[in-house]
Amino acid sequence: KQEVTQIPAALSVPEGENLVLNCSFTDSAIYNLQWFRQDPGKGLTSLLLIQSSQREQTSGRLNASLDKSSGRSTLYIAASQPGDSATYLCAVENYGGATNKLIFGTGTLLAVQP
Amino acid sequence: DTEVTQTPKHLVMGMTNKKSLKCEQHMGHRAMYWYKQKAKKPPELMFVYSYEKLSINESVPSRFSPECPNSSLLNLHLHALQPEDSALYLCASSQGAVNQPQHFGDGTRLSIL
Repeated sequence: KQEVTQIPAALSVPEGENLVLNCSFTDSAIYNLQWFRQDPGKGLTSLLLIQSSQREQTSGRLNASLDKSSGRSTLYIAASQPGDSATYLCAVENYGGATNKLIFGTGTLLAVQP
Repeated sequence: DTEVTQTPKHLVMGMTNKKSLKCEQHMGHRAMYWYKQKAKKPPELMFVYSYEKLSINESVPSRFSPECPNSSLLNLHLHALQPEDSALYLCASSQGAVNQPQHFGDGTRLSIL
């Protein structure tokens, strides 16, 4: 059974710092890995999707890497801003029978202090 | 603003009530999903519809009944819910059911009295 873990569970940094969020998964037979952010009381916003054959994806100040063989992904946020404060979730897409399904990690609550 | 619209945003109901949650997308996506999210926990998959057919039911109790009337609409019918069913219910859609990013709505916050 796929298990997805994120470290740290919570992180507080001053504005302007670069930071790294970690995600690990137990079953490397994934289709892709996705990073989402969730603001309080809101739905999820897709940030990056890395295909299983890819090593990294970049969008603006965000860079996500994937090492499928070791079951790890990192999300790098450059020059953090207070607006980056949110919960960040990684999710892996696994074969689910008739349809694939996303298995979410436990999340990292990020607070960027002005 | 999200491209997946969920109504209502908040719902309070008694354990004997019948209500429905609604989800709509106009992106031409052919896969739609229901997730349940408890406070400070990640979303948990409930149902997946692919091309308007139910393809995954994650052993969800029968008091939750999904319906996909057409490719743009997804409903979740609720009946005889329990207090532990109080949660944020999220709808998502994707272009296909394999290897596509999922787009989420803002959810319905459900409280069972």
